[in-house]
Order: sequence, then C-alpha cells, then structure tokens
Amino acid sequence: AQKVTQAQTEISVVEKEDVTLDCVYETRDTTYYLFWYKQPPSGELVFLIRRNSFDEQNEISGRYSWNFQKSTSSFNFTITASQVVDSAVYFCALSEWGSSNTGKLIFGQGTTLQVKP
Amino acid sequence: NAGVTQTPKFQVLKTGQSMTLQCAQDMNHNSMYWYRQDPGMGLRLIYYSASEGTTDKGEVPNGYNVSRLNKREFSLRLESAAPSQTSVYFCASRRGAESNQPQHFGDGTRLSIL
Repeated sequence: AQKVTQAQTEISVVEKEDVTLDCVYETRDTTYYLFWYKQPPSGELVFLIRRNSFDEQNEISGRYSWNFQKSTSSFNFTITASQVVDSAVYFCALSEWGSSNTGKLIFGQGTTLQVKP
Repeated sequence: NAGVTQTPKFQVLKTGQSMTLQCAQDMNHNSMYWYRQDPGMGLRLIYYSASEGTTDKGEVPNGYNVSRLNKREFSLRLESAAPSQTSVYFCASRRGAESNQPQHFGDGTRLSIL
C-alpha cells in the first residue's frame, strides 16, 4: 500500500540555521511522483517541487534543496540559512502512475517548522 | 488570477444540519479533488473527479457526497453533519489526471460541527 511518513512532527530552529525535513515513502509502483507543499500560517497550500521516480538528481532552488534517494525511499527537503518566513507546515506527498491514473495524492502527516529570530 | 476558489471560508453547523461546500477553478483543469485536513493526519482524500462527468471515492468518503456540476465546479455535501466532520476542507484541481502534474489548492474551508 502507498504510504508517506514524515516522522518529525515539529522542528524548531534559530534563524540562519540549516534544517532538513525528512520524508520516507512506500509504494509498489516503479513509476511514481513525489511532491513537497508548504502551508504557511495563513493556511493555503503552496506547491514547492515535483520529482519523478526516474530522476534521482538532487535539485536546488535558492535556499531550498531536495535529496531523492530511491535506495532508501526518501525524499528529504533542506532549507539552508533558514528565515522566519520559512515557518510553516511542510507536507510531502506521493502520486502513483498506476492503471487508474487518477492523480490522487497521498500525504504525509506534515512537519511543523518554527524558525525563531 | 483566482485559481481555485472555495466558499465559504468559515462555517459553524449544528449536528444533523446539512451543508454544501462550493469549489470553482478557472484554470480549465480537468481533474478536481476534495481533501480534509486534521491535526497530525495530513490531508486525506474524500472524493475526486478525474474528469467532467465522473466522480469516485477517496480514502474517507463516508458521510459525504459530491457533484461535478460542470468542468469548473465541484461541490462537497454533508447531508447530516457530525462532530467528527469538524475539519479544514481543501479543494484542489489539476490539468489532467496525469500523476506528474501538481495539484493547485484553494484556501480551505474551516468547518466546525457543534
């Protein structure tokens, strides 16, 4: 069965520290997609990144980077030099490319990141 | 540039009352989804509509019904609200059912059932 686990419920750091949010997934499919979403205190969900199962290249976007390791079924998210504006709940999600191909997302429980000034 | 619009943003109901949550998207997307968000559980799929004219159950459909009114609109109905349905409800859409496309979310509806 599909499952996404974000074991870190809450993380608190001081501004300018680096922080890594963990995401571990389970799937029987060989083709799948992984996503990260950010939910700031205002409540909306903001798409951050998409990664397919055939592309294990790490990605960097400004202070954000993502490390995809198929061997350990992990898709971790690192924020470098964190800022107060990074305070949010972060969700990792999985979408399988199955015969039904409905595009459903399976979400992890979310990690609440608090960045203190 | 509205994207996905949900109404209302907040609602308080009494147990047993009925209500319809509205969702509309202006991105010409084919697929639409309803999720609920509860503390410590992430978002869970209630119902989805892969394309206009079709709807299917998600992970937690009990107590809900949906209507894909047209390509733009996808409503969620609670026929007899229960306190367990107190949650934040999100509507989302994506261009197609292709799994590689990100879903775009509305701002959510905070629903309290007393």
